[in-house]
Amino acid sequence: AQSVTQLDSQVPVFEEAPVELRCNYSSSVSVYLFWYVQYPNQGLQLLLKYLSGSTLVESINGFEAEFNKSQTSFHLRKPSVHISDTAEYFCAVIRNSGNTPLVFGKGTRLSVIA
Amino acid sequence: DVKVTQSSRYLVKRTGEKVFLECVQDMDHENMFWYRQDPGLGLRLIYFSYDVKMKEKGDIPEGYSVSREKKERFSLILESASTNQTSMYLCASSRPVLAGVSDTQYFGPGTRLTVL
Repeated sequence: AQSVTQLDSQVPVFEEAPVELRCNYSSSVSVYLFWYVQYPNQGLQLLLKYLSGSTLVESINGFEAEFNKSQTSFHLRKPSVHISDTAEYFCAVIRNSGNTPLVFGKGTRLSVIA
Repeated sequence: DVKVTQSSRYLVKRTGEKVFLECVQDMDHENMFWYRQDPGLGLRLIYFSYDVKMKEKGDIPEGYSVSREKKERFSLILESASTNQTSMYLCASSRPVLAGVSDTQYFGPGTRLTVL
């Protein structure tokens, strides 16, 4: 079975400062990795995903995440955050075969302070 | 534009009532999922379905049942609502995960259910 640990439940950060949201996973099989974002009063939407190839993946709004197989991590980073990045962020994993459901972490609430 | 819709954004029910939450997707996805979201607990899978009339229990199926009579519709049923089922309920859909290929899981806007 897979599991996901998001090490920080809340991360406050000042506007234009860098941020890192940490995600570690556990799995005995190969997985795909995802970050989802949930803005206030909305459903979840995909931010970025790692399936294969380059271990560094980027989103269209400046976030990036790096897959580190040896450390079983998939941390999310942004060099300079905006007020509009305030949201809850979920890390998730799924087996790369067998059609099993996504397994989510408990989420990290990012609060960007002006 | 891909879409997952849920029948209500907000719902208030009384203890003991039978509650139906409806989810419809327009992407011809085989997989559909129901989660509940609670502060500090993240998303927990209740039930999922890989095909019409098929269902699998997730992590917390107790007190819930599901129905999938058509490919595009997946219903979550609370047979006798209780106060501990007050939560945000999220529906999602996706294509099957195949070796080397994984499609995005698309979510609806959620239904905030309050059981009094």
